[in-house]
Amino acid sequence: QQQVKQSPQSLIVQKGGISIINCAYENTAFDYFPWYQQFPGKGPALLIAIRPDVSEKKEGRFTISFNKSAKQFSLHIMDSQPGDSATYFCAARVTGGGNKLTFGTGTQLKVEL
Amino acid sequence: NAGVTQTPKFQVLKTGQSMTLQCAQDMNHNSMYWYRQDPGMGLRLIYYSASEGTTDKGEVPNGYNVSRLNKREFSLRLESAAPSQTSVYFCASNEGGPAGELFFGEGSRLTVL
Repeated sequence: QQQVKQSPQSLIVQKGGISIINCAYENTAFDYFPWYQQFPGKGPALLIAIRPDVSEKKEGRFTISFNKSAKQFSLHIMDSQPGDSATYFCAARVTGGGNKLTFGTGTQLKVEL
Repeated sequence: NAGVTQTPKFQVLKTGQSMTLQCAQDMNHNSMYWYRQDPGMGLRLIYYSASEGTTDKGEVPNGYNVSRLNKREFSLRLESAAPSQTSVYFCASNEGGPAGELFFGEGSRLTVL
């Protein structure tokens, strides 16, 4: 049972374009929604995170949009660069759940020149 | 800046053999986690330790055991390895409580023949 559904599985974007990755969840108890970035041969690393009391958070070229009523959140990468080529995971956490994160299935992003 | 260190990085086992994956963190974090990563499945939690002296099952605990040896170290043991346990294993840690960021090791790639 996948509690956090992520799409697309893979994505190819031209340099300078916008990359968009979407996630949806069912559990309304989730209270923290991070995105992790993983390069080949490395462990995931936190990229950006949002809590459900705000609808958008921006850090540089990376923006999370959050729609609480639709139970969806998305990552937008503006002016995508070849160095952004990586696998991206969305995740969600339940309050009091031992700080355990439930991850989406991942999106492999390739930014072409 | 070691962060989270996992050993070994690569291991090949035969079905039925046992082995232990070691993990150590030098960030004085309270909580530690073991995840497995499989293609198309994302990261799934095997076991976690919210604090020294405690361990709890995650989403996919069957076939695994863990030991929180001290605050720094959290090991994962496969008592009788099966081909279904072929995966990349990641150890992670964080401060626990409301702090959400997980710090991951670089992974241990395990193949069970």
